[in-house]
Amino acid sequence: QQQVKQSPQSLIVQKGGISIINCAYENTAFDYFPWYQQFPGKGPALLIAIRPDVSEKKEGRFTISFNKSAKQFSLHIMDSQPGDSATYFCAASMLNYGQNFVFGPGTRLSVLP
Amino acid sequence: KAGVTQTPRYLIKTRGQQVTLSCSPISGHRSVSWYQQTPGQGLQFLFEYFSETQRNKGNFPGRFSGRQFSNSRSEMNVSTLELGDSALYLCASSLGTSGDQETQYFGPGTRLLVL
Repeated sequence: QQQVKQSPQSLIVQKGGISIINCAYENTAFDYFPWYQQFPGKGPALLIAIRPDVSEKKEGRFTISFNKSAKQFSLHIMDSQPGDSATYFCAASMLNYGQNFVFGPGTRLSVLP
Repeated sequence: KAGVTQTPRYLIKTRGQQVTLSCSPISGHRSVSWYQQTPGQGLQFLFEYFSETQRNKGNFPGRFSGRQFSNSRSEMNVSTLELGDSALYLCASSLGTSGDQETQYFGPGTRLLVL
């Protein structure tokens, strides 16, 4: 119940294309869903996050879509750039329960020039 | 503001030894969490400290322990090292208070290799 599933494991996109990464969870107590971006040799960095009372959140080229009934959420990267090449992790946590995050296994994104 | 710093960045130990890793959070942050990252298991939560008290704990054996000091700096200790403890250990800090507690900032990690 604590698992967060993530797909695909890896993704190759042409420059300018749309990258889509999907996640699913089971624990309905989760109420905060961040996405992290990690470059080699670096720690993960918060990209964008959403709470279940919103179905979509957009920040620049990054959009989270959230489907509460399906217990799924996804990250869309519009106009993907080579600099977006990194590993992306979705995560889930329960607010008011401290910083106990459950992470998805990650998606390695490669954006071809 | 300076980011989260972790020391050392790289460490090589042998089985049976113990190791202590250090994390300095962003100034003003009171919550420090530790994660283990491996290719096979991904990012796994170890524990969280807030105001010198362990607030959350993941599913790791008792060989993994931590503490937090009054200045919010935190240390993580692993005793009786096993080969499977080889991983990138990440520290993350946040304000830890309601309203903004969810924004975690990760350090660069300490890469531990157990031989």
